Amino acid sequence: DQQVKQNSPSLSVQEGRISILNCDYTNSMFDYFLWYKKYPAEGPTFLISISSIKDKNEDGRFTVFLNKSAKHLSLHIVPSQPGDSAVYFCAATDDNAGNMLTFGGGTRLMVKP
Amino acid sequence: DSGVTQTPKHLITATGQRVTLRCSPRSGDLSVYWYQQSLDQGLQFLIQYYNGEERAKGNILERFSAQQFPDLHSELNLSSLELGDSALYFCASSVSGQNTEAFFGQGTRLTVV
Repeated sequence: DQQVKQNSPSLSVQEGRISILNCDYTNSMFDYFLWYKKYPAEGPTFLISISSIKDKNEDGRFTVFLNKSAKHLSLHIVPSQPGDSAVYFCAATDDNAGNMLTFGGGTRLMVKP
Repeated sequence: DSGVTQTPKHLITATGQRVTLRCSPRSGDLSVYWYQQSLDQGLQFLIQYYNGEERAKGNILERFSAQQFPDLHSELNLSSLELGDSALYFCASSVSGQNTEAFFGQGTRLTVV
């Protein structure tokens, strides 16, 4: 049972436009959500997080939106840059699980110059 | 550079053998996590330690074990290795054990032949 799903395995966007990466979850106990970026042959790099008490968190070009009723979160990257090309993972955890992260399967983002 | 150091970067070993993967967390981080990334399985949580004690356990095989030492570094021991154990093994660390971003090392690529 996949508790965190990223239904789009890949996404292609033109440089300067907005990239929107989506993530759905099924476990209503999740209360903290994170996005990681991963380049080949490197470990995941933390990007941005959001607590379930918020519906939006912004950090520079990156904004995460959380819709608890729909059990859906999204990552917006504006403007997209070629260096953003990587695999993006959403992850979730709940207070009772320590900090065990449940990851989605990832979305490969390609930003074309 | 996340500050999390994993050694070795690459490991090739034969079936039936035993290996030890090592992780040094970021300075000040008390919590260490181990994740496995196989080709078809995404990032899977194995185990978490917090200040020397096991905190949470995921789908970790009985052939695998881990520990966190007083200096907070951690080791993941994999024994009776099978071809299917070939994967990337990531260590991550965080300051606390709950609802906070974890920082990942570059991983150890294990190949079982």
